[in-house]
Amino acid sequence: EIVLTQSPGTLSLSPGERATLSCRASQRVAGSYLAWYQQRPGQAPRVLIYGTSSRATGIPDRFSGSGSGTDFTLTISRLEPEDFAVYYCQKYGGSLMWTFGQGTKVEIK
Amino acid sequence: QVQLQASGPGLVKPSETLSLTCNVSGGSMHNYYWSWIRQPAGKGLEWIARIYTTGSTDYNPSLKSRVSMSVDTSKKQFSLHLSSVTAADTAVYYCAMEGYSHYYVMDVWGQGTPVTVSS
Repeated sequence: EIVLTQSPGTLSLSPGERATLSCRASQRVAGSYLAWYQQRPGQAPRVLIYGTSSRATGIPDRFSGSGSGTDFTLTISRLEPEDFAVYYCQKYGGSLMWTFGQGTKVEIK
Repeated sequence: QVQLQASGPGLVKPSETLSLTCNVSGGSMHNYYWSWIRQPAGKGLEWIARIYTTGSTDYNPSLKSRVSMSVDTSKKQFSLHLSSVTAADTAVYYCAMEGYSHYYVMDVWGQGTPVTVSS
């Protein structure tokens, strides 16, 4: 089964800085099946990016996704205070229908 | 806009069966997949199972022997049953809808219902 490994575990940045989050798959993942979620404390996750690079409805354009094959990236161009949260990548498909990465926490430096 | 509301007992004794329900409002249940995901405190997300409105199911292989799901479209709800629970099943349980606006994502989530397994 495909494993998603996110790095770094924690990213300490200041508002206005750029955040680059990585998600590496143990085997190739089809681009259509790779998504990113944001989870703020005490809240349910919400989808940010689907199909590797498409922003979900209502997501600001400072969020962007890229990648292919086994390496995927979520970039936040300029961190806003509300962006400090935990981010998960997710893949669809296989015997384990949905797989999440272990998460990257973006914290205020 | 579809909204989901998960509910459950809050506290379950070890070895008993946990039953959770997710109520769907604001839209039709038909032709969508409906999932359960859990999250132990301070940890990541684990997908548990999903059901299609025809009743077809997919389960996480690591939980398959203890999990079942059901759907009642007339009541606009779907349910999760997890048997023989242990402390390791303590978590916040989320229900989610797949593919409401976009393919291959869970784009509608309920607020989560906390479950503690303890005697």
